[in-house]
Amino acid sequence: DAGVIQSPRHEVTEMGQEVTLRCKPISGHDYLFWYRQTMMRGLELLIYFNNNVPIDDSGMPEDRFSAKMPNASFSTLKIQPSEPRDSAVYFCASSSFEGRNTEAFFGQGTRLTVV
Amino acid sequence: AQSVTQPDIHITVSEGASLELRCNYSYGATPYLFWYVQSPGQGLQLLLKYFSGDTLVQGIKGFEAEFKRSQSSFNLRKPSVHWSDAAEYFCAVGASGGSYIPTFGRGTSLIVHP
Repeated sequence: DAGVIQSPRHEVTEMGQEVTLRCKPISGHDYLFWYRQTMMRGLELLIYFNNNVPIDDSGMPEDRFSAKMPNASFSTLKIQPSEPRDSAVYFCASSSFEGRNTEAFFGQGTRLTVV
Repeated sequence: AQSVTQPDIHITVSEGASLELRCNYSYGATPYLFWYVQSPGQGLQLLLKYFSGDTLVQGIKGFEAEFKRSQSSFNLRKPSVHWSDAAEYFCAVGASGGSYIPTFGRGTSLIVHP
């Protein structure tokens, strides 16, 4: 498997624009996580899905953020409208809770810059 | 709620020296514990994990970690550091039952001097 695939790797956008980040989890994994990494706050869990269903979105900073998982192989994180304080690295991770194989596998991240 | 503390923001060591990165966790039951490494511009890669059994866990790249329940710690060690070990290291804790959501510490940046 190619691992967790995120796109784009880098995104630069102007304040107020809509941004969509994409993630393809590892095939067979039934959990998907979106994390945000900043210098100030470290790695924060934004939302996670189980079997394509959002389970906990309490980490989503505000209504400008939304996430979907229309099928087992694709998820999006959308920011609309974007603001400079949204600049961060966004990671997608997937996992399958099978016995001892419960670690999360991370994508390479999307570095978002909002100017 | 579970939490992780990595008390050292930066650690500087000389190449060839030994290394210990500290991690303390808070969780009411037996946790799942992990160490990840992040190289610049990359995602997080799992170094090792503890679920149960032997409290000394061996990982990749010559790393090991020891789970000490009495101290709520899971410190990462390496006997001899290589320049390529320079990276950010994250400790994470997950619940041992029910749904598992990894909670990460703030990370420790390892600097290796030649």
